[in-house]
This record gives sequence, C-alpha cells and structure tokens, in this order.
Amino acid sequence: EAQVTQNPRYLITVTGKKLTVTCSQNMNHEYMSWYRQDPGLGLRQIYYSMNVEVTDKGDVPEGYKVSRKEKRNFPLILESPSPNQTSLYFCASAGTGVQPQHFGDGTRLSIL
Amino acid sequence: KQEVTQIPAALSVPEGENLVLNCSFTDSAIYNLQWFRQDPGKGLTSLLLIQSSQREQTSGRLNASLDKSSGRSTLYIAASQPGDSATYLCAVNSNDYKLSFGAGTTVTVRA
Repeated sequence: EAQVTQNPRYLITVTGKKLTVTCSQNMNHEYMSWYRQDPGLGLRQIYYSMNVEVTDKGDVPEGYKVSRKEKRNFPLILESPSPNQTSLYFCASAGTGVQPQHFGDGTRLSIL
Repeated sequence: KQEVTQIPAALSVPEGENLVLNCSFTDSAIYNLQWFRQDPGKGLTSLLLIQSSQREQTSGRLNASLDKSSGRSTLYIAASQPGDSATYLCAVNSNDYKLSFGAGTTVTVRA
C-alpha cells in the first residue's frame, strides 16, 4: 500500500531534549516536505526536499533541521525543542511533475 | 508571499444539499491548486488537483473550478452526505513547489 509513515504519532517531552520525528515513503517520490499545523494559523511549511541531498527552507524553518540522505526518508530534527514548537506535524511526499501531495497521519508533539 | 483565504470558516447543511466552498489567493503565478480533506485526528487526503492551465477538475460528486486571473477556486460537492463532514483545505502550489494552505472550511452535514 502506498503510504507516508511518520513516527512517533504522539510525543510528550521537555524543553531542550533533542528529538527526531521520522518520515518514510514507499512511493519512490522525489519531493518530500514537513508542515506544522496550529489552530488559527493553518498548515505552514517548515522544510522541503526536491531530491536526495537537496533541502530548502519553507516559511517557518527556525528551530528545525532536516536531512535527506536516502530518497525514502526525510527526518525532522528538533535539536533543542521549546514549548512554541508544540504542534501537529505532517510529512508529505509527491512525485515529479504535476502530482498531488500525499500526507502522513501526523505527529502530535507536546513540549513542556 | 502567497496568501490563501477560505470562506466560510464553517458550514452546516442538511443532507442532500449541495456544498460550495470558496478559496482565494493573492498571487496568480501558481503551478497548481489542490483541495484536501482532513478528518479529525487524521492526515490530509488529496481530493482534486487542478493544474494552472485547467479551468476545472471533476471526481465523482466533486467538482473544482479555477479562475487564475481572479485568484479564485471553488469546490462543489453535490448531494452532500453525513460522511462528507470534515475540514476541507485549499492549497496553492507556487512554482517553487511550496504549498500555501488556507485555514480550511469545516463542514457538517446533518442527517
């Protein structure tokens, strides 16, 4: 089954403790992206990647890092999480050309 | 910066009524526009994608139109059902693959 898989789905942690949210897709897509969704602000793009070893900033990249060492994986790294990064996070992927984006089920992060 | 607005923010209709959801965007230089559905606690499901060169796209009871020059798209859902209750999001893809989302329209279809 074609899918985008995020882990963990839920995480409660404390300020300053490094964490990584993994994202994996099995559709051989070149494009991958991370979004955060906050009430009243909608979905905002954090980082995206057009292919392996190619990443670029979205609208809200501060406090986040990403890497794209393999085509199928695009982890989101919070090196020193802060409470304002409490949010619902989505990973998405798409093929080249005019292709719809496919989303994972989301990761709900709570940073205390 | 692309700004995407969706009106209304919420909509409640009786079953069987047609739904009309509006999306407007500020920069007409778009690559495509995508409509998504989001159920509570779930991710986004792609409903329709309209390329910038297209005027509309249809899938079953869903029809989406695009007027790039006026910066508008409309999603029509015919003969609504309770299972159509969800939040509908409009997303504009600029030429650099960046998606800008509207805040969504939350639809409730009453049985």
